[in-house]
Amino acid sequence: TQLLEQSPQFLSIQEGENLTVYCNSSSVFSSLQWYRQEPGEGPVLLVTVVTGGEVKKLKRLTFQFGDARKDSSLHITAAQPGDTGLYLCAGRSSNTGKLIFGQGTTLQVKP
Amino acid sequence: EAQVTQNPRYLITVTGKKLTVTCSQNMNHEYMSWYRQDPGLGLRQIYYSMNVEVTDKGDVPEGYKVSRKEKRNFPLILESPSPNQTSLYFCASSYGDSRSGANVLTFGAGSRLTVL
Repeated sequence: TQLLEQSPQFLSIQEGENLTVYCNSSSVFSSLQWYRQEPGEGPVLLVTVVTGGEVKKLKRLTFQFGDARKDSSLHITAAQPGDTGLYLCAGRSSNTGKLIFGQGTTLQVKP
Repeated sequence: EAQVTQNPRYLITVTGKKLTVTCSQNMNHEYMSWYRQDPGLGLRQIYYSMNVEVTDKGDVPEGYKVSRKEKRNFPLILESPSPNQTSLYFCASSYGDSRSGANVLTFGAGSRLTVL
């Protein structure tokens, strides 16, 4: 069974701090997606990375795909209360094409 | 507005009472899927459908049924719900074969089900 381990599972920080969320696996993925989910809503796609070593930026969010396409990170600079939510990574298996979700990271940014 | 609509959003029921959670999308997507979300376990796929009349099991299909008679609808059926099916359920859809890396899943707002 392919697993995608996310860490940390919970993160509570003050507004203005930086943070990094990690997504790790022993399996290779053809692509990796990051979603954000707010209470009472479904996950919404933030970014897709497809090339090993790829870095994408979305305002204060920086996403990186590992060189070996087994891991990814999400870095938020100067977090704001509006960043509060559940962040999910999802990797597409190179073998099966199946989309596998991590357990999620719950982020709380306090004003 | 392009969206995936699930109903009901909230439901409390009792063990053994059949229920259906409806899912409808207005984007002409071929691929549809059901997930359940439980604390610490992330999203786990229950069933998916590549197109009309084509459905397949996901990772946790036991206790669930689905049908895809029309492209836009993909209902989730619990014939005899049990307490371990208490969860938050999401329907999602995308264009074409979801195995393509570029395909983006559009999720519904979720249906919170409690089985007593």
